[in-house]
Order: sequence, then structure tokens, then C-alpha cells
Amino acid sequence: NAGVTQTPKFRILKIGQSMTLQCTQDMNHNYMYWYRQDPGMGLKLIYYSVGAGITDKGEVPNGYNVSRSTTEDFPLRLELAAPSQTSVYFCASSYGQSKPQHFGDGTRLSIL
Amino acid sequence: GESVGLHLPTLSVQEGDNSIINCAYSNSASDYFIWYKQESGKGPQFIIDIRSNMDKRQGQRVTVLLNKTVKHLSLQIAATQPGDSAVYFCAENLPGDYKLSFGAGTTVTVRA
Repeated sequence: NAGVTQTPKFRILKIGQSMTLQCTQDMNHNYMYWYRQDPGMGLKLIYYSVGAGITDKGEVPNGYNVSRSTTEDFPLRLELAAPSQTSVYFCASSYGQSKPQHFGDGTRLSIL
Repeated sequence: GESVGLHLPTLSVQEGDNSIINCAYSNSASDYFIWYKQESGKGPQFIIDIRSNMDKRQGQRVTVLLNKTVKHLSLQIAATQPGDSAVYFCAENLPGDYKLSFGAGTTVTVRA
């Protein structure tokens, strides 16, 4: 009963490096989301997808890219890491609109 | 600014007492609300949700109340236990919108 799985759990990057945060879900949910959470703050939406092949920007998309080639996977790409992208990143999925979103346990990313 | 916020950033509760966590929202058009619990190092975990056509919804040891007149949402936890110590977030959803808007969270600490 895995739910939403995120890898890696922790990562340290140097400024200018790139990386992909992986997210996969086994609940056959069409909707998937990427959020970032800064210390003491709520979650801010980066990108979301309503189905394979469809992605859209959220509140804070700058510096990130996503793809959705399958229902299960929704990777988040950082092309040129900046210190402002130091955060905890959460992936979530849901059955549909106005339905509970189910979250992974996050990727803690530090950019130095 | 954020459309959803919590009245108090922290709440200290005696074990066995009832807890009440409050949330104010600004968008009267929101029609779906949800409460999450986030433990340290984990992703948000769904607690309970409510739609705008309801005033109250009960779950196991939890009750959510919605007052649309004053745009106020609350989460009541009965007989608070040490395992209830966490950060609690409320979130809202507008009709036709895919994303949830999160508040900053209330940290609940249960005293033994």
C-alpha cells in the first residue's frame, strides 16, 4: 500500500546544478501536484497535472519544469539550482477535483 | 497574500482535553475545505474534509465546523493524545479550480 512515493528523501546541490525529483503513485489517480514548503509556511503549488500528457503552472513555477508521460509518474526538474530553491518538496495525487490530495513524505533539498 | 490562514500559530493542550484549531478564509466562493495533519519529517496527512453545503462533519475523534457567514473553519479534536502533536493545516478549494490553497499552519503541542 505504497501511495505516493518520492525519491530522493534528501539532496544537497551546488548552485547551477540540475536534478530531477521523482514522484510515483500507485492509486491510479489522474491528478498530480508538486508543492514546496518553506520553514513555518504552508504549501505553495509549483505545477500540477490533470492527466498524462497535460501539465499546468501553479503559483510558483519559475525555475522548475515537469512532465507527465504516464499516469503514475510526475517528475519535477530543476535546471539551474538557486539558493532560493532550498525547500521541502512534496508531491501529491488525487482522484479528482475537490477530493483529498494524498501526499508523499517529501524531498528535502538544500542548494549551497 | 494567502487566502486561507489560521488564527494562532501555536496551541498547547493538556492530554485528555479537547482541542480547537481555527482557520479563517477570505474567499466566500470556496466550496471545499480540508484539514491536514503534518508530523515532523512527514508529508501532510488527510484528516477530514467538508463541502460548503454542510455546516458540520464528524470523523473519528475529529469534528470540522464550517461557518460560511463569517468565513470560519474549525477542527475539534476530542480527548487529545500525545500522538496528536503536529502541525495542522486548513486548505480551501474554489469551484472549478484544481489546486488547494493552504494556510500557514498551527503547531499543536500536547502536554502530558
